[in-house]
Amino acid sequence: AQSVAQPEDQVNVAEGNPLTVKCTYSVSGNPYLFWYVQYPNRGLQFLLKYITGDNLVKGSYGFEAEFNKSQTSFHLKKPSALVSDSALYFCAFSSSGDKLTFGTGTRLAVRP
Amino acid sequence: EAQVTQNPRYLITVTGKKLTVTCSQNMNHEYMSWYRQDPGLGLRQIYYSMNVEVTDKGDVPEGYKVSRKEKRNFPLILESPSPNQTSLYFCASSLAPGRGPRGEQFFGPGTRLTVL
Repeated sequence: AQSVAQPEDQVNVAEGNPLTVKCTYSVSGNPYLFWYVQYPNRGLQFLLKYITGDNLVKGSYGFEAEFNKSQTSFHLKKPSALVSDSALYFCAFSSSGDKLTFGTGTRLAVRP
Repeated sequence: EAQVTQNPRYLITVTGKKLTVTCSQNMNHEYMSWYRQDPGLGLRQIYYSMNVEVTDKGDVPEGYKVSRKEKRNFPLILESPSPNQTSLYFCASSLAPGRGPRGEQFFGPGTRLTVL
């Protein structure tokens, strides 16, 4: 079955340090990959997506993600973490352009 | 303001008592979907709708019903709720595939349901 996996339940990082939230995929064909963020007591918000083209995708709030076909990964990155980045992050894929299938989520905690 | 609204935001009910969670969007989106979020499982799709009067099952449809009589509304119905339906529910909407950015769904704020 096609899926995305987020191997870390939680990532801890100090403010100002770079952060990485990992995602690997098992999707046939050309995957459409996404990152969404969920702040406390809020719905999910779209961050960025990879469809085709450049492997480095830039999104909202200074986040970016690198699509790596050989490693089947789509890790989310930010050069300098902020305390306000603390949230739950979801990787997702879409095969048909409508249904999104989500990973289990990674909680990011940025300490001051 | 473009948004997806859900009501109620919080609901505590008892087993077997029918309930409806409403979802409404003001963006003229064709596609709407319901998800449930459970710890360690991420979000799983319950039902989705490609347009008015067109609905289909997602990954976990058992125990739920939906209807899409108007483009803006997509209510989720639990005819006989059970404790295993205790969860956080999200409604989402987007333009139809091919008409807008692929995969960019707009989510409501969530409904936390507890079934005793």
